[in-house]
Amino acid sequence: DTEVTQTPKHLVMGMTNKKSLKCEQHMGHRAMYWYKQKAKKPPELMFVYSYEKLSINESVPSRFSPECPNSSLLNLHLHALQPEDSALYLCASSPRGRAEGTQYFGPGTRLLVL
Amino acid sequence: KQEVTQIPAALSVPEGENLVLNCSFTDSAIYNLQWFRQDPGKGLTSLLLIQSSQREQTSGRLNASLDKSSGRSTLYIAASQPGDSATYLCAVKRNNAGNMLTFGGGTRLMVKP
Repeated sequence: DTEVTQTPKHLVMGMTNKKSLKCEQHMGHRAMYWYKQKAKKPPELMFVYSYEKLSINESVPSRFSPECPNSSLLNLHLHALQPEDSALYLCASSPRGRAEGTQYFGPGTRLLVL
Repeated sequence: KQEVTQIPAALSVPEGENLVLNCSFTDSAIYNLQWFRQDPGKGLTSLLLIQSSQREQTSGRLNASLDKSSGRSTLYIAASQPGDSATYLCAVKRNNAGNMLTFGGGTRLMVKP
């Protein structure tokens, strides 16, 4: 299994809703990432987990709350989002916390906040 | 602060042409450089990864070169096909930056039949 999966593919939520994005990989990778990508822009790093511990938080607002329950799973909990948070949310993984190799990306969750 | 720039931002070519995409970065202290492909609304697919000690990498019709001292990388696509139409992103991993990637703005490529 050489892929990163993300669910759901699409999500529409209101500003008062609570929802979660999920990411899963079974490649034995020990680093996992959340990126946010606006239309026609490059991905922007949000969080990095290394060996299930949060190692990087790129000054992301607290309405985004990451969680890494185990080495295969990464969640992003969403609460009280704003319309400007609408974007493609990408998950990625790589072999080690300070890996030399490739980051493998999932297909993304397209989020629309109304 | 590392800045990564890709030129051109958009490119349209007829099928069969050879083409070159450019990527430049301001800080030469990089660990590696990676080229990705992204189809509209989809995730990123890694195409080639060049370690800082390497000069180039090849995969099929793709060849990526790296000149770390001048802060440049090129992605060469031979005999382009309509299926190559996508956005191409380069990303650099800096030394001593964990596994953080800094992305360029991308080049949107359209190959016309």
